Amino acid sequence: GQQLNQSPQSMFIQEGEDVSMNCTSSSIFNTWLWYKQDPGEGPVLLIALYKAGELTSNGRLTAQFGITRKDSFLNISASIPSDVGIYFCAGPDFNYGGSQGNLIFGKGTKLSVKP
Amino acid sequence: KAGVTQTPRYLIKTRGQQVTLSCSPISGHRSVSWYQQTPGQGLQFLFEYFSETQRNKGNFPGRFSGRQFSNSRSEMNVSTLELGDSALYLCASSWSGDLDTEAFFGQGTRLTVV
Repeated sequence: GQQLNQSPQSMFIQEGEDVSMNCTSSSIFNTWLWYKQDPGEGPVLLIALYKAGELTSNGRLTAQFGITRKDSFLNISASIPSDVGIYFCAGPDFNYGGSQGNLIFGKGTKLSVKP
Repeated sequence: KAGVTQTPRYLIKTRGQQVTLSCSPISGHRSVSWYQQTPGQGLQFLFEYFSETQRNKGNFPGRFSGRQFSNSRSEMNVSTLELGDSALYLCASSWSGDLDTEAFFGQGTRLTVV
């Protein structure tokens, strides 16, 4: 079945550094989503990607939809302490209908930022 | 515009009991989905409701059920609670649940089964 492999599992970086994380799958996705979750809160949508090759920015965040449709990347530039949290990639789960009403998630990348 | 509201935020139940969780979607959103989040399994899809009908269901036992009301509010119920049901239960709403309509999550209900 579909699986999303997210890496790295965790990152410890210095404030001001750039961050890169990625998500891969053996299946093709037609939508890639990136969420951030703070402790005790629900995931917050950061960026949505709908087209292969698409590059989209949201402030210091940039995400790309891989050309093969089997991967996606999220970059954070000039990290700040409030970037701390868990970042998830997600996509429609075709085992259960394949829409944004039923998403499959990666296991997350936990980001820690040292001031 | 109010976000997705889940109640209660925290709940402690005893094994064997049942529990009902509530989710009020963003105004105008008709699709409501439920997810279970645990440290071991991550975020897993439970079910999705659209216009009061269950549209999709994940791979969870029949003890997990839900419903949606005419105002799009949704409830999920877990019967005969087990220790392994302890988790953060998240609700997400979107306008239609289609591929290009984004899903927004509530803060979740933290369920602890003792």
